[in-house]
Amino acid sequence: EAQVTQNPRYLITVTGKKLTVTCSQNMNHEYMSWYRQDPGLGLRQIYYSMNVEVTDKGDVPEGYKVSRKEKRNFPLILESPSPNQTSLYFCASSFGGPRYEQYFGPGTRLTVT
Amino acid sequence: AQKITQTQPGMFVQEKEAVTLDCTYDTSDQSYGLFWYKQPSSGEMIFLIYQGSYDEQNATEGRYSLNFQKARKSANLVISASQLGDSAMYFCAESGGSYIPTFGRGTSLIVHP
Repeated sequence: EAQVTQNPRYLITVTGKKLTVTCSQNMNHEYMSWYRQDPGLGLRQIYYSMNVEVTDKGDVPEGYKVSRKEKRNFPLILESPSPNQTSLYFCASSFGGPRYEQYFGPGTRLTVT
Repeated sequence: AQKITQTQPGMFVQEKEAVTLDCTYDTSDQSYGLFWYKQPSSGEMIFLIYQGSYDEQNATEGRYSLNFQKARKSANLVISASQLGDSAMYFCAESGGSYIPTFGRGTSLIVHP
C-alpha cells in the first residue's frame, strides 16, 4: 500500500529537549516536504527536498532542520524546541514536486511545554 | 508572493444538496496548479482535485468539480449530492514556479441530515 508514515503520532516534550520526527514514503517519490498546521492559519511549509541531499527552506524554517540521506526518508529535527513550535506537523511526498498531488502522512501532534 | 483566500470560515449544507466552497488566488506565475484537499476530523489530509492553469476544461473527480475562472483568479470547489461523510475542513492550495505551495486557511463544511 502506497503511504507516507510519520512517527511519533503524538509527542509531549519540554523546552530545549532535542527531538526528531521521522517520515518515510514507499512510493519512490522525489519531492518531500514538511508542513505545520496551526488553527486558523492553514498549512505552512517548513522545508522541502527535491531529491537526496537536496533540501531548501519553505515559508517557516526557523527552529527546524531536515536531512535527506535516503530517498524514502525525510526526518524533521527540532534541536531546541520552544512552546511556539507546538503544532500539528505533516510530512508529504509527491512524484515530481508540489505541482503534483501530494500524499500526506497522518500527522504528528507536538506539544512543547 | 502567492496568496490564497477562502472567505467562508464555515458552511452548512443539507444532505444530497450541492455546495460551493470559494477560493481565490493571487499569483504572478504564468503556469501554476490549483488543488483542493479535505481534512476530516480524524486529521489526515486527502487530495481531492487538481486544475492546471492551462487546462481548458474544468477538472472533475466523481462528485467533486473545480469551477476554474482564470480571469477572476478563482478556483471554487463544487461538491454535488453532499453526503454526511463530506463534513470536514477543506483547503485550497496553489503551486506555481517555486517549490513552496500556498494553502488557504480552510473552510469548515458541515453536512446536515
